[in-house]
Amino acid sequence: AQSVSQHNHHVILSEAASLELGCNYSYGGTVNLFWYVQYPGQHLQLLLKYFSGDPLVKGIKGFEAEFIKSKFSFNLRKPSVQWSDTAEYFCAILSGSARQLTFGSGTQLTVLP
Amino acid sequence: GAVVSQHPSWVICKSGTSVKIECRSLDFQATTMFWYRQFPKQSLMLMATSNEGSKATYEQGVEKDKFLINHASLTLSTLTVTSAHPEDSSFYICSARVTPWSRAGETQYFGPGTRLLVL
Repeated sequence: AQSVSQHNHHVILSEAASLELGCNYSYGGTVNLFWYVQYPGQHLQLLLKYFSGDPLVKGIKGFEAEFIKSKFSFNLRKPSVQWSDTAEYFCAILSGSARQLTFGSGTQLTVLP
Repeated sequence: GAVVSQHPSWVICKSGTSVKIECRSLDFQATTMFWYRQFPKQSLMLMATSNEGSKATYEQGVEKDKFLINHASLTLSTLTVTSAHPEDSSFYICSARVTPWSRAGETQYFGPGTRLLVL
C-alpha cells in the first residue's frame, strides 16, 4: 500500500530564510506526486505536481520540488520565505485504479516577520 | 482555476440527526469526486470515491450506511452523515477531479470544507 511521510510537523522560520520540507513516499507503482498548501481558513490549493520528465518541478509562488527516485523523496523548497507563506503544507501521492490521493500528515510552517 | 464549493460551511446538530453536505464543481464537470475527513492537526483521510451515476467506493473502515454518498450529476455530490454522533464531529472536505486528455494534467480541486459539530 502507498504511504507518505512528512517528518517535519512544525517549522518556524524568519522571513527571507530558505525552506525545505521533507516528503518521503512508499509506493510500488508509477509515481505521481503533489504538494498542496492550506492557508489559514482556506481550502487546499495545488502548489505543484510531478508526473514525469524533469525531476525538478517548479510551482506557484516561487516554490519548487525535486523528485529523487533513489531516495523516494519529493522535498519542497523555496529560497526565501515570506510571512504570507505561513500555512500548512501537505505532500500527496496519486495511486490506485481510482486515482486517489494519499496525503502525508502535513507540516505547519510559521514565518516570523 | 477550477472552483469547488461546499455547503454548508459549518453545521451544528443534535446527536441522532442527519446532516447533508453538498459539494459542487462550479465551472467544470467532474465525473469523480472525493470525500475526505480531517481531524484537528491531522492530515486528510480519504473516506470515499464518488463516481457520477454509480455507487461510491468506500475506504476500509468507513461505514457506507452511516456516510451516504450520492453523485447524481456531473457537478454535484452529496455526503449525508446519518444519525450523527459526537464522534462524527470533524472537518469534511470534498474534491473534484479534472481529467483532461493527458494524465499529466490531472488535478484535484478542493472545496473549502464543512465543519460539523455534533452535540
